[in-house]
Amino acid sequence: GAGVSQSPSNKVTEKGKDVELRCDPISGHTALYWYRQSLGQGLEFLIYFQGNSAPDKSGLPSDRFSAERTGGSVSTLTIQRTQQEDSAVYLCASSPGTSGDTQYFGPGTRLTVL
Amino acid sequence: AQTVTQSQPEMSVQEAETVTLSCTYDTSESDYYLFWYKQPPSRQMILVIRQEAYKQQNATENRFSVNFQKAAKSFSLKISDSQLGDAAMYFCAYRSSRGGSEKLVFGKGTKLTVNP
Repeated sequence: GAGVSQSPSNKVTEKGKDVELRCDPISGHTALYWYRQSLGQGLEFLIYFQGNSAPDKSGLPSDRFSAERTGGSVSTLTIQRTQQEDSAVYLCASSPGTSGDTQYFGPGTRLTVL
Repeated sequence: AQTVTQSQPEMSVQEAETVTLSCTYDTSESDYYLFWYKQPPSRQMILVIRQEAYKQQNATENRFSVNFQKAAKSFSLKISDSQLGDAAMYFCAYRSSRGGSEKLVFGKGTKLTVNP
């Protein structure tokens, strides 16, 4: 079946602009995760959605970052007033939602803030 | 908080030879999961192998196997009969078994080069 998809593949924006990154999880997966991969910080957890439960937002670096998941499927990560330090690859993953299950990753969105 | 350390930023291996990538982790938990992911230049993270901490037997997937030493908190990956397609970044990751802590904690990665 289809894997996790993310769009856009690449995004270039100017400092101060808002951006939206989209993630389509694998059909039937109830859990969805966002991670950020940057040269300086490696791979960092951002946010986790599981079914109808309140999301775990403990990894969001600032209040400029937010995410939502509509209808338990597609998720959008929004970064407001982008800064140069937001430049990174943003990875989305999904999993069936059972304990210890494997997370399957999308190809990521490379964000460049000029 | 849990941490994962990969002490080898880069490794190289000759095609058809064997290479071992190191990973250590720090946790106070007794039950957890460990993973090795591969990330080729395409950026797609691909699961290589996983290990449940409660299992004493080391996981194996074809040419990939792990040496899981729970007391030493070590989780190394052995790649046998290396192939050119194995060239990639390899990340070791930890996941708690506690409900509500589903995130993966990653090491910094090891860049593997396979020489023909």
